[in-house]
Amino acid sequence: AQSVTQLGSHVSVSEGALVLLRCNYSSSVPPYLFWYVQYPNQGLQLLLKYTSAATLVKGINGFEAEFKKSETSFHLTKPSAHMSDAAEYFCAVSDPGFGNEKLTFGTGTRLTIIP
Amino acid sequence: DTAVSQTPKYLVTQMGNDKSIKCEQNLGHDTMYWYKQDSKKFLKIMFSYNNKELIINETVPNRFSPKSPDKAHLNLHINSLELGDSAVYFCASSQTLGQGALPGELFFGEGSRLTVL
Repeated sequence: AQSVTQLGSHVSVSEGALVLLRCNYSSSVPPYLFWYVQYPNQGLQLLLKYTSAATLVKGINGFEAEFKKSETSFHLTKPSAHMSDAAEYFCAVSDPGFGNEKLTFGTGTRLTIIP
Repeated sequence: DTAVSQTPKYLVTQMGNDKSIKCEQNLGHDTMYWYKQDSKKFLKIMFSYNNKELIINETVPNRFSPKSPDKAHLNLHINSLELGDSAVYFCASSQTLGQGALPGELFFGEGSRLTVL
């Protein structure tokens, strides 16, 4: 079964500093990997996805993630944090057996931006 | 226009009651889902429907009964509510692979917060 582990349930960074949110996956087959963001009292929206094309994936709002097979990682980064980045971030892996239907989410990382 | 809309947004009820949450999507997608997010923000899939047909049922108690009258609607009915059912329930939709969609591209509603007293 596919799974993802997000290290750090809470991350705080200063405005303008580097954002690094960690995600490691476990999969018996080449995975599809995603980052979703959830702003307060809202649903989740897709930030970016890896679908076996380029290993460095760029998403919305200046975020990017790099797929590293040797480290089974898909960490999310942003060079310079903005106050509007404060949200909950979820890493997810897709179960290929179900096509695009079944996502398994990590437990989330709450990102706080310090002014 | 909201792409995936859920009603009600908030629901407070007593143990033992029956309640429903409705979901509608206007994206023309053919697959819809219900996810449950618990108090620790953990998200878990409950059901998935493709063109009104159930394709995923993740060992959810049979007190939970999804109903899809058409591919744009997926409602969730819960019987005999228990304290542990308190959570935020998210509806989502996507387009089936092979019709231009990339895997895992789900569109979520804003959630329905259910509180069971």
